Amino acid sequence: GDSVTQMEGPVTLSEEAFLTINCTYTATGYPSLFWYVQYPGEGLQLLLKATKADDKGSNKGFEATYRKETTSFHLEKGSVQVSDSAVYFCALSDSPIQGAQKLVFGQGTRLTINP
Amino acid sequence: NAGVTQTPKFQVLKTGQSMTLQCAQDMNHEYMSWYRQDPGMGLRLIHYSVGAGITDQGEVPNGYNVSRSTTEDFPLRLLSAAPSQTSVYFCASSQLSGNTIYFGEGSWLTVV
Repeated sequence: GDSVTQMEGPVTLSEEAFLTINCTYTATGYPSLFWYVQYPGEGLQLLLKATKADDKGSNKGFEATYRKETTSFHLEKGSVQVSDSAVYFCALSDSPIQGAQKLVFGQGTRLTINP
Repeated sequence: NAGVTQTPKFQVLKTGQSMTLQCAQDMNHEYMSWYRQDPGMGLRLIHYSVGAGITDQGEVPNGYNVSRSTTEDFPLRLLSAAPSQTSVYFCASSQLSGNTIYFGEGSWLTVV
């Protein structure tokens, strides 16, 4: 079945450091790919998404490019802030029904940014 | 600007008790679903629905029951709570024609 693998956490960085959180996937079809963020005590929020190969999703300074050849969707940010501290989830949807989203999640990566 | 609303936010149950987690959305979304979040495992799909009167099982449905009598509501029932059901539960919704899922804020459930 479909699966998502994220880099192990936790990840601790200093403010203004460069961030990469690796995500690779296994899917039978052509999935849509997502990054969700969960701030402490809150639900999940969609951070960015890409629906086809070579698409780049971006939001709040974060970027991720859908790489079909390497089955990857790595999350990057050039200069992190303390407010970026959260848990980040990579996810895919390979639903046969358009929009009927059954997301498959990675295990999540906890990110802590120190001032 | 309610979005997806879950209640209760926190609940402690004794083993064998039953309860219902409520979920309501005000965006007229056809698709609704329930996930559970356990440490180190990400979120796993419990049940989902593509419209009123239609439900189906996800990855981990055992011990849970759902119904969808209206577009807005999608309650999750625990029939006889077990400690293995201690988890954080998230309700989510989306349009059938879109691919963005909106999540509620979560319900923290502890079974003792």
